[in-house]
Amino acid sequence: EIVMTQSPATLSVSPGERATLSCRASQSVSSHLAWYQQKPGQAPRLLISGTSTRATDIPARFSGSGSGTEFTLTISSLQSEDFAVYYCQQYNNWPPTFGQGTKVEI
Amino acid sequence: QVQLQESGPGLVKPSDTLSLTCAVSGGSISTYYWSWIRQPPGKGLEWIGHAHYTGTTDYNYNPSLTSRVTISLNTSKNQFSLMLRSVTAADTAVYYCARGSPVAGYWGQGTLVTVSS
Repeated sequence: EIVMTQSPATLSVSPGERATLSCRASQSVSSHLAWYQQKPGQAPRLLISGTSTRATDIPARFSGSGSGTEFTLTISSLQSEDFAVYYCQQYNNWPPTFGQGTKVEI
Repeated sequence: QVQLQESGPGLVKPSDTLSLTCAVSGGSISTYYWSWIRQPPGKGLEWIGHAHYTGTTDYNYNPSLTSRVTISLNTSKNQFSLMLRSVTAADTAVYYCARGSPVAGYWGQGTLVTVSS
């Protein structure tokens, strides 16, 4: 199965700053890459699929880019509600696999 | 707006079968793919598998679990279920049901299942 590796494990930022999260696949996943946000005690929430397409009601400050094996999630100006764990997921090959997560903290 | 709600025992004994149900409201399970995903405490996410109704039901399971898992759809009750056989402590996790595969657009709140004697 495809192994997804996220970096950094923890990202310390201040509200209003820009956050850049990275995700690397062990082999090409084309553009079949999704990002999820998970807050403590909650289910994950889909943010982005197809590398860069925001899900319904996701603010424009979230953007995704990349292709092949290297992907990035950018949060342009962090809001207090954005502090959470973010997971990337490939769905080019079965089974879909997730990265281990990046925790965005203050 | 579609809503999903998991239900089932929170404690299962080793070697027994874990059984969970996901009730779906706000949409029919006769369309879309329906998935189960799990998350061990403090760890990452693992896709268990999905089912899809097309007159008959198609399934696809994670190869790491395929020998132990069954996902079924109940169109009359608008719900779907997970059975995981011969469980061990490694199966302790929060189990989520979700709509969509291989991208999960809607999730249930999750239910913690602990495997312990």
